[in-house]
Amino acid sequence: SQQGEEDPQALSIQEGENATMNCSYKTSINNLQWYRQNSGRGLVHLILIRSNEREKHSGRLRVTLDTSKKSSSLLITASRAADTASYFCATVPQGGSEKLVFGKGTKLTVNP
Amino acid sequence: GAVVSQHPSRVICKSGTSVKIECRSLDFQATTMFWYRQFPKQSLMLMATSNEGSKATYEQGVEKDKFLINHASLTLSTLTVTSAHPEDSSFYICSARGQGRDTEAFFGQGTRLTVV
Repeated sequence: SQQGEEDPQALSIQEGENATMNCSYKTSINNLQWYRQNSGRGLVHLILIRSNEREKHSGRLRVTLDTSKKSSSLLITASRAADTASYFCATVPQGGSEKLVFGKGTKLTVNP
Repeated sequence: GAVVSQHPSRVICKSGTSVKIECRSLDFQATTMFWYRQFPKQSLMLMATSNEGSKATYEQGVEKDKFLINHASLTLSTLTVTSAHPEDSSFYICSARGQGRDTEAFFGQGTRLTVV
């Protein structure tokens, strides 16, 4: 089952611009994670943000979490062509479940 | 980050045969492993969650007799697609996580299964 819904579904920008992707989810969570996937490959973990955290940074990545709105955003600053990939949010629900459930993803294209 | 090795990366099999996909955590103990299926240009659909030494928990709509999951050790989980049919053709991805739900999951490179 899908938990998160990312928007936009596709985003095309120029190198150097910032890219913002959003994720909304439906149930209470323990944490939310962002992953990146290059075409036809496995996923790479980017950032994990816990339900009691509001913002996290890692290099050019900034993630925010608003549990009252059940939403998160991923900002990539000063984008590069190499950032072209699909980006997914995934949630671990609150409670005993071990699940890691993915949203639909945003396809980001960074044009040189 | 930690390494998860998934094999094979590609497999073509005949309809009616079974295919086994292996997922190994190379440098950490994977308390929990996940198996996903991904259709072209779509997200990952969780098939099942398995904890070492116990039976896998399958998601609704996933046939446990068709997709056999074994997680016999802390470093290895296998997914066997039994009596494969063309509609089982897909990209299958495994993921492994250490103890605790606040730990990140590491992903294998995926297996492209084509059933002819």
